[in-house]
Amino acid sequence: DGGITQSPKYLFRKEGQNVTLSCEQNLNHDAMYWYRQDPGQGLRLIYYSQIVNDFQKGDIAEGYSVSREKKESFPLTVTSAQKNPTAFYLCASRDRGGNTIYFGEGSWLTVV
Amino acid sequence: RKEVEQDPGPFNVPEGATVAFNCTYSNSASQSFFWYRQDCRKEPKLLMSVYSSGNEDGRFTAQLNRASQYISLLIRDSKLSDSATYLCVVNGITGGGNKLTFGTGTQLKVEL
Repeated sequence: DGGITQSPKYLFRKEGQNVTLSCEQNLNHDAMYWYRQDPGQGLRLIYYSQIVNDFQKGDIAEGYSVSREKKESFPLTVTSAQKNPTAFYLCASRDRGGNTIYFGEGSWLTVV
Repeated sequence: RKEVEQDPGPFNVPEGATVAFNCTYSNSASQSFFWYRQDCRKEPKLLMSVYSSGNEDGRFTAQLNRASQYISLLIRDSKLSDSATYLCVVNGITGGGNKLTFGTGTQLKVEL
């Protein structure tokens, strides 16, 4: 079945540690996105990539990094520089020219 | 002014009621519009696209008013299973290309 897979679903991190969230899609979509969702704030764009080996900062990129070495994969690293990383992280993809965006099931990150 | 604004609710309605949500957007150049549904602690899923002429899918009707820059979602004969958060999504053109902007969502609670 085609879709977007995020892992891990739940992750606990100690302050000062970097963590990487995985996002893999087999939909052959060109564009991939990372969003963060906090209660009452909706989805905020962290980074996006329109094509392999290229990515752009979104609205809240500080403290995060990404790579896009393969079309299928768009991992997000939450660095120790991110001041308030506890949140629900959503990866998404969209076909070139398409309007509909599809989401993975999300990853819950808690900093302890 | 936020790019996309929604009343957060919650809207508490009895089963069988008709309920409507509005969403306003600030970018007059926005090209396409969507309603997504998000259940608690889950990823958003596409409910329906919104077309200029208005469109209906079963109990759900979506409309677009470009002059006043808002979209609406009408749910008839509400079911308990309609309880969720409804996200308004607007696709506009920016310097970086297509950009999807999410509203913060409107929470609906359907009660017996």
